[in-house]
Amino acid sequence: EIVLTQSPGTLSLSPGERGTLSCRASQSVGSSSLAWYQQKPGQAPRLLIYGASSRPTGTPDRFSGSGSGTDFTLTISRLEPEDFAMYYCQQYGGSRYTFGQGTKLEIK
Amino acid sequence: EVQLVQSGAEVKKPGESLKISCKGSAYIFTGYWIVWVRQMPGKGLEWMGMIYPGDSNTTYSPSFQGRVIISADKSISTTYLQWSSLRASDTAMYYCARQRQLEPLSYYMDVWGKGTTVTVSS
Repeated sequence: EIVLTQSPGTLSLSPGERGTLSCRASQSVGSSSLAWYQQKPGQAPRLLIYGASSRPTGTPDRFSGSGSGTDFTLTISRLEPEDFAMYYCQQYGGSRYTFGQGTKLEIK
Repeated sequence: EVQLVQSGAEVKKPGESLKISCKGSAYIFTGYWIVWVRQMPGKGLEWMGMIYPGDSNTTYSPSFQGRVIISADKSISTTYLQWSSLRASDTAMYYCARQRQLEPLSYYMDVWGKGTTVTVSS
């Protein structure tokens, strides 16, 4: 089973700053298999990025994804107040999904 | 608008059975896998399993195999997650989500239900 490790566990930043979240896989992941989700308190997760770098309709362009192999990054160029939330990466491999443990992005 | 509508919150006692539902609308229900995800209080997301409503083909996470049953009734565009004997450790939020395929072996979840809270307590 591929294990996804997200870092940092908590990221404290101010609105307007740049946020960089990491997701590292225990073995190589097909780049098209990596997705990112945002979850706000009391809400369901929401798809942010799929295929490592593609944004679905509705994801603001301040969100970007990159990476390949075992190292992937979600970047938020300029943080808006509504971006402070939990973020999870996810991969599909070996007929199963795995999620990272999450990064909490909090207001500094 | 594509939607997955989940059944309401449940409060059960240990040992009781339960079946929760997830109804799809505004898309071809039989053409997409539905995934079930658990989120225990204050914790992260865990993949439980999934079903293809077109033929009820199912795949389970080893962590949940034998503990839950995932089923579907395509005539009413609904999938189900059921337990025969609940435990306190089943207390969690349960989400259903629609699986999309980007390319072979590349999948993600594009539409999520709002979740069903299950509380198991004596």
